[in-house]
Amino acid sequence: EAGVAQSPRYKIIEKRQSVAFWCNPISGHATLYWYQQILGQGPKLLIQFQNNGVVDDSQLPKDRFSAERLKGVDSTLKIQPAKLEDSAVYLCASSPGQGATTEAFFGQGTRLTVV
Amino acid sequence: AQKVTQAQTEISVVEKEDVTLDCVYETRDTTYYLFWYKQPPSGELVFLIRRNSFDEQNEISGRYSWNFQKSTSSFNFTITASQVVDSAVYFCALSAYNQGGKLIFGQGTELSVKP
Repeated sequence: EAGVAQSPRYKIIEKRQSVAFWCNPISGHATLYWYQQILGQGPKLLIQFQNNGVVDDSQLPKDRFSAERLKGVDSTLKIQPAKLEDSAVYLCASSPGQGATTEAFFGQGTRLTVV
Repeated sequence: AQKVTQAQTEISVVEKEDVTLDCVYETRDTTYYLFWYKQPPSGELVFLIRRNSFDEQNEISGRYSWNFQKSTSSFNFTITASQVVDSAVYFCALSAYNQGGKLIFGQGTELSVKP
């Protein structure tokens, strides 16, 4: 079974530029998460989708971050404009159900450096 | 509020030593789940274990064992006879039953096992 796929693996941009990350979850997984992991810290949830609806985006900086999950499958996370403090690893995860009764499977992440 | 604390930032051991990673959590929910994830240098988070708040039985899986104590709000992880391949960052995480699977992570403990 293929895991969670993310691209690109690495991205370097200048501040005020825009960037987009892509995630393809495990086939059949209804729930998709985007986490931000700043160096030396644990991941922090940015947004959670159930199929193509948003369940939780309370920690998403909506003035610059946006995310969508078209047709309940792939998802894209966008940052526009980027700030230096957005430098982090962006992890996508998926799980077959909603809730903590099933574990989430994580991708390898996209490492973003904003200079 | 929910919180996970991993007080040990870095641990270094020599191969074959036993090592325990500490995790203390805070939550007001009566139903919750606790997790341990491993993050190797490749970046993805690898699921190790999930326990629910009603099951305080200790668990052993090969060289790994987990000690869950609700009285002290702790969920510690022990690796017996550590190996170089165990070198990674380990995260403890908490998810409340009504949070839709959202994980609250600790800061992580970087384990280095030297030959």
